[in-house]
Amino acid sequence: AQSVSQHNHHVILSEAASLELGCNYSYGGTVNLFWYVQYPGQHLQLLLKYFSGDPLVKGIKGFEAEFIKSKFSFNLRKPSVQWSDTAEYFCAVYNNAGNMLTFGGGTRLMVKP
Amino acid sequence: EPEVTQTPSHQVTQMGQEVILRCVPISNHLYFYWYRQILGQKVEFLVSFYNNEISEKSEIFDDQFSVERPDGSNFTLKIRSTKLEDSAMYFCASSKGTSVTNNEQFFGPGTRLTVL
Repeated sequence: AQSVSQHNHHVILSEAASLELGCNYSYGGTVNLFWYVQYPGQHLQLLLKYFSGDPLVKGIKGFEAEFIKSKFSFNLRKPSVQWSDTAEYFCAVYNNAGNMLTFGGGTRLMVKP
Repeated sequence: EPEVTQTPSHQVTQMGQEVILRCVPISNHLYFYWYRQILGQKVEFLVSFYNNEISEKSEIFDDQFSVERPDGSNFTLKIRSTKLEDSAMYFCASSKGTSVTNNEQFFGPGTRLTVL
């Protein structure tokens, strides 16, 4: 069965610091990976997705993620965070056979102004 | 920009009561989903729905749960006899398709269900 692990449950950064959130997955099929963000009081929104091609994927709001097949990882990065990036971030893998997303446990990011 | 909407935002019910959670998916989407998130736990898949049929369901989605698309716009999740452990945030989602180019799932804001 597929699974997703996010190693950091809570991250606190100051504005302008660089961000890297870890995500490791376990899935035997063709990999299709997502990062979603949930801002306080809002719904889950897609930040970026990977399904093939360039393993470095660029998303909205300056976020990017790198798919490293050998490490089963899909870490999310941002060079310089802003206070408005305070949110919960979820990594997910898509199960092609079952048409479902399997989510990691989420990482709560707090950016101090 | 089209959005998935859910009502109510918060539902409080007594154990053993039936609840119906409502969702309006994005209008040109064909695939619909329910997920739930118990407080402090992961977002978990419940069920996917296509062409008026369940296409996949998880172990959580037992006989107490059912889904329906009663008309051309609504997609509902019914819990027949709620239990305390059903207390969670329930998210509805929809997608255009299931191929890698159109399988992005758009989520609603969630319904917080509290079972007393």
